Amino acid sequence: GQQLNQSPQSMFIQEGEDVSMNCTSSSIFNTWLWYKQEPGEGPVLLIALYKAGELTSNGRLTAQFGITRKDSFLNISASIPSDVGIYFCAGLLLSSGTYKYIFGTGTRLKVLA
Amino acid sequence: EPEVTQTPSHQVTQMGQEVILRCVPISNHLYFYWYRQILGQKVEFLVSFYNNEISEKSEIFDDQFSVERPDGSNFTLKIRSTKLEDSAMYFCASKREYEQFFGPGTRLTVL
Repeated sequence: GQQLNQSPQSMFIQEGEDVSMNCTSSSIFNTWLWYKQEPGEGPVLLIALYKAGELTSNGRLTAQFGITRKDSFLNISASIPSDVGIYFCAGLLLSSGTYKYIFGTGTRLKVLA
Repeated sequence: EPEVTQTPSHQVTQMGQEVILRCVPISNHLYFYWYRQILGQKVEFLVSFYNNEISEKSEIFDDQFSVERPDGSNFTLKIRSTKLEDSAMYFCASKREYEQFFGPGTRLTVL
């Protein structure tokens, strides 16, 4: 089946540092979404990417849709303690005539003050 | 800002019992989804629903699961006879075009 490989699995960083995480797949996606999930809550949409090569920012977050449409990265600049959480990528895939989202395995981010 | 809501936030049930998890998607959205997340693991797709019918379902979504949109606002997931391994967070999501928004989830605990 389709898989999204997300890395790193976890990161421990100092407040103020920049963070980078990425998702790769052997499948081609039409849309990439990046979510943040905090404990006990649902994923919250951070950034949506629609076109190959697209680079989009949302505050300190920047994400890019890879040219091959098989990968995406998310950068967080100048991290702060409230950035703590699990970050998931999700790719929208056309499969058997329907669209579905495939989720990455998540990157667990911890920020040390 | 409109959001997806889910009830209950936590459901505890005995193995073999039926449970119904409820969701109210964002009102002008057309596509509805249920996902499951076992503690510490990734979000897993269960089923998608469009135009009053299932458009896709995963291998997890077996005969014990069913979905309904009984009226214009609610979207429900029913598990007929719960098993221990059904314990997880269940998330409802909805979208209009490409951006999918999640509800806060229902934590299901099967004893």
